[in-house]
Amino acid sequence: DGGITQSPKYLFRKEGQNVTLSCEQNLNHDAMYWYRQDPGQGLRLIYYSQIVNDFQKGDIAEGYSVSREKKESFPLTVTSAQKNPTAFYLCASSIDARSTDTQYFGPGTRLTVL
Amino acid sequence: GQNIDQPTEMTATEGAIVQINCTYQTSGFNGLFWYQQHAGEAPTFLSYNVLDGLEEKGRFSSFLSRSKGYSYLLLKELQMKDSASYLCVPSSGGYNKLIFGAGTRLAVHP
Repeated sequence: DGGITQSPKYLFRKEGQNVTLSCEQNLNHDAMYWYRQDPGQGLRLIYYSQIVNDFQKGDIAEGYSVSREKKESFPLTVTSAQKNPTAFYLCASSIDARSTDTQYFGPGTRLTVL
Repeated sequence: GQNIDQPTEMTATEGAIVQINCTYQTSGFNGLFWYQQHAGEAPTFLSYNVLDGLEEKGRFSSFLSRSKGYSYLLLKELQMKDSASYLCVPSSGGYNKLIFGAGTRLAVHP
């Protein structure tokens, strides 16, 4: 079964701790994306990667970091510098980053920082 | 600037037809996606329009007018499981940049 996986579904962390969210895809897609969604709001782009070993900041990259060492994997680290980390985090992928390519989403990770 | 305008909420009856309208303004426009998002879940792809006109896919159809900055999603034979948010998502820019608003929350009742 091809798809995008994110784990865990729910994650709790204490304030001041860094936390890494996983995102894996077996769709052979070149492009991957991270979004966050706050209650009643639209998705906002954190980072995107068009190809292995390359990534670009999105609209709200401050307090986050990513890596893209493998085509299948695009982990997101939420650092202690992120002022409001509690949110629903969504990973997506597309064949590549052309404007016509559909982005497919993983199931999401709901992060709560206590 | 970039702006998406959709109704915040709509209600409809099971078995009926509903049309969700969307107007958008983007700096550069490549095409428009519609996604469905159930509460607490990830968005799922419904349709994509790049040219003017109607795209039909089963119970769902989507229309685009590029010159008017207007799109609509038509849902036929509504089912209870269609209760969800519907996101009108323009794509703009040199890479696949999607512009998300809060969407339209549709409630289908018996």
